[in-house]
Amino acid sequence: EAGVAQSPRYKIIEKRQSVAFWCNPISGHATLYWYQQILGQGPKLLIQFQNNGVVDDSQLPKDRFSAERLKGVDSTLKIQPAKLEDSAVYLCASSPTITTDTQYFGPGTRLTVL
Amino acid sequence: AQRVTQPEKLLSVFKGAPVELKCNYSYSGSPELFWYVQYSRQRLQLLLRHISRESIKGFTADLNKGETSFHLKKPFAQEEDSAMYYCALSGSGAQKLVFGQGTRLTINP
Repeated sequence: EAGVAQSPRYKIIEKRQSVAFWCNPISGHATLYWYQQILGQGPKLLIQFQNNGVVDDSQLPKDRFSAERLKGVDSTLKIQPAKLEDSAVYLCASSPTITTDTQYFGPGTRLTVL
Repeated sequence: AQRVTQPEKLLSVFKGAPVELKCNYSYSGSPELFWYVQYSRQRLQLLLRHISRESIKGFTADLNKGETSFHLKKPFAQEEDSAMYYCALSGSGAQKLVFGQGTRLTINP
């Protein structure tokens, strides 16, 4: 079974620029998560989708971050404009259903904002 | 509010010695607790969860509601156990995971 795919793996941008990350979950997984992991910290949930609907986006900085999951499969996370403090690894994870307790993680995208 | 605390950022033990990675949590309801592990150059993956009450790769963890702890233990450490370990908590049914800051475990030969 193919795992969660993410691209790009690395991205370097200057502050105030825009950036987008893409995630393809495991086939058939209804629930998709985006996490932000700052160096030295554990992952922090940004947004959770169930199919193409948002379940939880309470920790998403909505003034600059946006995410969508069109057709309930792939998802994109966008930052516009980026700040220095957005430098982090962005992890995508998926699980078969909202009640399944195992989340499967992608390799992550390492973002550096200069 | 949900909170997970892993008091040790770094832990170093010798091969064959016992290992205990500490995890304490704060949650008002009935939590579900997990340990996730990230080996070098690999993805974050589930190691074990308290509801399964299973041993994975020789590791066990017992949920102690009185002490609000979920420590990860292994009686005899192996070099391949070297990794980053994260304790995580989920409220029942919500599936939103709250992670601790992680403990980097190094097993010395």
